[in-house]
Amino acid sequence: EADIYQTPRYLVIGTGKKITLECSQTMGHDKMYWYQQDPGMELHLIHYSYGVNSTEKGDLSSESTVSRIRTEHFPLTLESARPSHTSQYLCASSPQGEGNTIYFGEGSWLTVV
Amino acid sequence: KNQVEQSPQSLIILEGKNCTLQCNYTVSPFSNLRWYKQDTGRGPVSLTIMTFSENTKSNGRYTATLDADTKQSSLHITASQLSDSASYICVVSDRGSTLGRLYFGRGTQLTVWP
Repeated sequence: EADIYQTPRYLVIGTGKKITLECSQTMGHDKMYWYQQDPGMELHLIHYSYGVNSTEKGDLSSESTVSRIRTEHFPLTLESARPSHTSQYLCASSPQGEGNTIYFGEGSWLTVV
Repeated sequence: KNQVEQSPQSLIILEGKNCTLQCNYTVSPFSNLRWYKQDTGRGPVSLTIMTFSENTKSNGRYTATLDADTKQSSLHITASQLSDSASYICVVSDRGSTLGRLYFGRGTQLTVWP
């Protein structure tokens, strides 16, 4: 079992609300990622980090922001949620180097009404 | 354009039967290929990772093969169990960037019936 945790697992919020999805890992991994996945579709990278104070945007344009103040913590924030943000958000982490296993959290299902 | 295509899109088999899932990719330069299992509503779990020099790798009843020349991989599941019902995702990583960019297939949805 991977030691990477996401909260909340499920969330329904109204349009315009601010939301933060939490992600924590206890494996000491430097690399962390946020992916977005719609049902039946592939995962899309929206943010990643190589380590503390390092954050980069991924392939898929996203209105969300991330921060990496501590190695184990990589929260994702939506300042003003819209129905188009309804999706599953998956956090992941991996050690430095190529070919290492990427460990995923259980995901956060966000519904914006 | 770097792509990962999986087939079939969905598959139904009876418990105890074997099955093979396919993955074709165009990602270049190739670094490694991973198979993940994703249960409904859960995060993906790693099954295998293969580099260019590896032709086959097993993890219990799961055996993955890789033909880097034809850019094809397969995942063979032996003696299927009800718990094998899940989406199986093929993920290919390139060597062209520091991140080792990952390209995800859409997955094969496997359903195992009793």
